[in-house]
Amino acid sequence: GAGVSQTPSNKVTEKGKYVELRCDPISGHTALYWYRQSLGQGPEFLIYFQGTGAADDSGLPNDRFFAVRPEGSVSTLKIQRTERGDSAVYLCASSLGRGATAEAFFGQGTRLTVV
Amino acid sequence: AQSVTQLGSHVSVSEGALVLLRCNYSSSVPPYLFWYVQYPNQGLQLLLKYTSAATLVKGINGFEAEFKKSETSFHLTKPSAHMSDAAEYFCAVSPNSGGSNYKLTFGKGTLLTVNP
Repeated sequence: GAGVSQTPSNKVTEKGKYVELRCDPISGHTALYWYRQSLGQGPEFLIYFQGTGAADDSGLPNDRFFAVRPEGSVSTLKIQRTERGDSAVYLCASSLGRGATAEAFFGQGTRLTVV
Repeated sequence: AQSVTQLGSHVSVSEGALVLLRCNYSSSVPPYLFWYVQYPNQGLQLLLKYTSAATLVKGINGFEAEFKKSETSFHLTKPSAHMSDAAEYFCAVSPNSGGSNYKLTFGKGTLLTVNP
């Protein structure tokens, strides 16, 4: 596709449920990032993939959060036992290379609401 | 650790007036600096970035920013605001060395409104 695609655009789930958020990066982009944007805050780094491997998952808040990128393209962010505090917009970005000189292109985000 | 402070969560200007959005950073060494714009229901879009080259950086849509090391600032300006500039603007920083220069740290954002 022309840009980074995230699905669903909105997700409402009940507390305690499991959710999966999908990111389809720009074709050919080897680097993929997940960020979380809470209300009134800027995006916060969660995890960075280079190819299939998670090169840096230091931003994942706890072990309920997990992300995969099995074929080096599409990535899925998985959240177990969701809590109301997980409500936020989850942003995905991709870039052609790694590092600050490689522009990161962001998707529109998935708005997750935990009720 | 690096951090970014955006002064003013909301800035309102008249159409045709100067736009000035403030950003100050905290870092032990000069970092890379970025401005992103987020239009309603759209993803973040890169406006411009500073990566240790010229201190005055020109970006898209007539925006520019100047890196001032002595003031640890990277303020965003545009000489004449258009209605279409209404959006939320985020300043961000990343390390310029080491293994984690891909990791962006964002400010809380400044919502720009443009009045006719």
